[in-house]
Amino acid sequence: DAGVTQSPTHLIKTRGQQVTLRCSPISGHKSVSWYQQVLGQGPQFIFQYYEKEERGRGNFPDRFSARQFPNYSSELNVNALLLGDSALYLCASSSPGVTTDTQYFGPGTRLTVL
Amino acid sequence: AQKVTQAQTEISVVEKEDVTLDCVYETRDTTYYLFWYKQPPSGELVFLIRRNSFDEQNEISGRYSWNFQKSTSSFNFTITASQVVDSAVYFCALSEYTNAGKSTFGDGTTLTVKP
Repeated sequence: DAGVTQSPTHLIKTRGQQVTLRCSPISGHKSVSWYQQVLGQGPQFIFQYYEKEERGRGNFPDRFSARQFPNYSSELNVNALLLGDSALYLCASSSPGVTTDTQYFGPGTRLTVL
Repeated sequence: AQKVTQAQTEISVVEKEDVTLDCVYETRDTTYYLFWYKQPPSGELVFLIRRNSFDEQNEISGRYSWNFQKSTSSFNFTITASQVVDSAVYFCALSEYTNAGKSTFGDGTTLTVKP
């Protein structure tokens, strides 16, 4: 089975622009989570979506938004980009509510804001 | 609020040495999950192990072993007979029970294994 997939792999934007990142979960997983990983730090939780509803939101500004589609894929949108938004954006899928719940990550999208 | 601390920022060992990566966590939850992930230079986080808070049995998988001690809120990871391919950043993470999708990560330990 395919793992979590993300697109694009790399992205270069300028300050003030908007960006959309995409993620497809592992087949059968209904939850998608987004994380931001700045160089030298651990991943920081941004959003979790489960069954197309927002289940959790981290401490990020309203410039960050996300949604989940009926096929459980997800998009992360970031508006009015700042230099500090440069990071690796990781998507993960999981199955909340089951005792075997584990989060599996995609390869990430590396965003550079100039 | 949950917190994970990995006090060792960088560790360097020579191949075949044993190495232990420390992880200390804080949570008010009585049940929770603990995880270890490996991040090679390619950037993808690779799942290594999940531990439920009510299962304090230590686990061994090949050269990897994990020591979970609830009394000291620690979940340490040992690599026996390290190899160059073990070089990576290792992350410890904590989540609510049955919701791994909202995890709190430590800042990672960079392990370098020299030949």
